[in-house]
Amino acid sequence: QVQLVQSGAEVKKPGASVKVSCKTSGFTFSSYGVSWVRQAPGQGLEWVGWVSGYNGATNYAQKFQDRVTMTADTSTTTFYMELSSLTSDDTAVYYCARDKSAAVRENWGQGTLVTVSS
Amino acid sequence: QSVLTQPPSVSAAPGQKVTISCSGRTSNIGNNDVAWYQQLPGAAPKLLIYDNNKRPSGIPDRFSGSKSGTSATLGITGLQTGDEADYYCGTWDSSLNPGFAVFGGGTQLTVL
Repeated sequence: QVQLVQSGAEVKKPGASVKVSCKTSGFTFSSYGVSWVRQAPGQGLEWVGWVSGYNGATNYAQKFQDRVTMTADTSTTTFYMELSSLTSDDTAVYYCARDKSAAVRENWGQGTLVTVSS
Repeated sequence: QSVLTQPPSVSAAPGQKVTISCSGRTSNIGNNDVAWYQQLPGAAPKLLIYDNNKRPSGIPDRFSGSKSGTSATLGITGLQTGDEADYYCGTWDSSLNPGFAVFGGGTQLTVL
């Protein structure tokens, strides 16, 4: 069955970077892309961006354009999201989700809590 | 401020029916298919409806979706206490090139 297993919780200081991984199994990696979606405490869902498992192409939300990097490693079927210049506003649970289409996030990882605190 | 507009909360008694609305614009709901997600407390979101009205395997037919113009609606019949969750609509917005994914602010369902 389709599985997306994310790395564990992180605590970072303001100004630092964080890299979250999303290990996938149960489907052909190169046939799908993954979106990253975040959820601040008590808030709704916010799309961060997308990365292709086929060729590593990316599409980032304008808000994160200059400080997010998403990559895909076909050898380990793992997707990565790195967010830099962290502030307390970046404290959130970050989810990876396999995309069924541009409009549909079909399967979700369990989430990774990133806490930014001095 | 979310791109798609949902009511913050809805409630109904067990066994009853409830609907959740999702309002957008031509660039998002008007020109693209809508999906709905259920997020139980402390859990990751789960796909409930895709392409406006299709259910993934395993989702009971108590859940239904529809779209008209720039609005979409999720319907849940035969409410159960286990349906208490946050529900989000989502779609693609093609106002920019490339486009981007958008979500509603979420609706908390209480089964009284």
